[in-house]
Amino acid sequence: GESVGLHLPTLSVQEGDNSIINCAYSNSASDYFIWYKQESGKGPQFIIDIRSNMDKRQGQRVTVLLNKTVKHLSLQIAATQPGDSAVYFCASNGGKLIFGQGTELSVKP
Amino acid sequence: SQTIHQWPATLVQPVGSPLSLECTVEGTSNPNLYWYRQAAGRGLQLLFYSVGIGQISSEVPQNLSASRPQDRQFILSSKKLLLSDSGFYLCAWSVPAGATQYFGPGTRLTVL
Repeated sequence: GESVGLHLPTLSVQEGDNSIINCAYSNSASDYFIWYKQESGKGPQFIIDIRSNMDKRQGQRVTVLLNKTVKHLSLQIAATQPGDSAVYFCASNGGKLIFGQGTELSVKP
Repeated sequence: SQTIHQWPATLVQPVGSPLSLECTVEGTSNPNLYWYRQAAGRGLQLLFYSVGIGQISSEVPQNLSASRPQDRQFILSSKKLLLSDSGFYLCAWSVPAGATQYFGPGTRLTVL
């Protein structure tokens, strides 16, 4: 069946450094991808999305890269701050939204 | 702007008791509505989704049920809770045929 997987369950970075969170998906028909941020005890919050006809999209301090050849996407966070500490989920939509298991990002002061 | 509400925020219930969780959406019409469960690990499991009043699709057979009595109201129920029903329950909405889902604040359910 379809799956979405993250490469690392946890990631620890120094405040001010850039963070890169990776994700792989299995469904070649997926045409839309989303990154969510979930803080402890709260619902997932939409961060940024990208359609399959793009390979890069930028937001405020965040960039999503999509490589359809190897079915991989990544979320880059520039100048990581303590408030960025959370679990990050990628999700792919090929008719149905499929979520990965999440990467927990910890930011060290 | 659109907002999504869930209540209660937390709930502790004994095994065998009934359950009713409520979700409402404001600021949009005819949304698609979803119920997810997030267990102690991080994955989100889709339980039910609805594309309109009275229209419910079940993704995983279990002792839970869902109902949509009004356009922007989605209810998750159980007649008899099991220990395995404990978890974080999330409601989400999207525009019709929309790909992005927006989540509510969640309900933390503990079954003892």
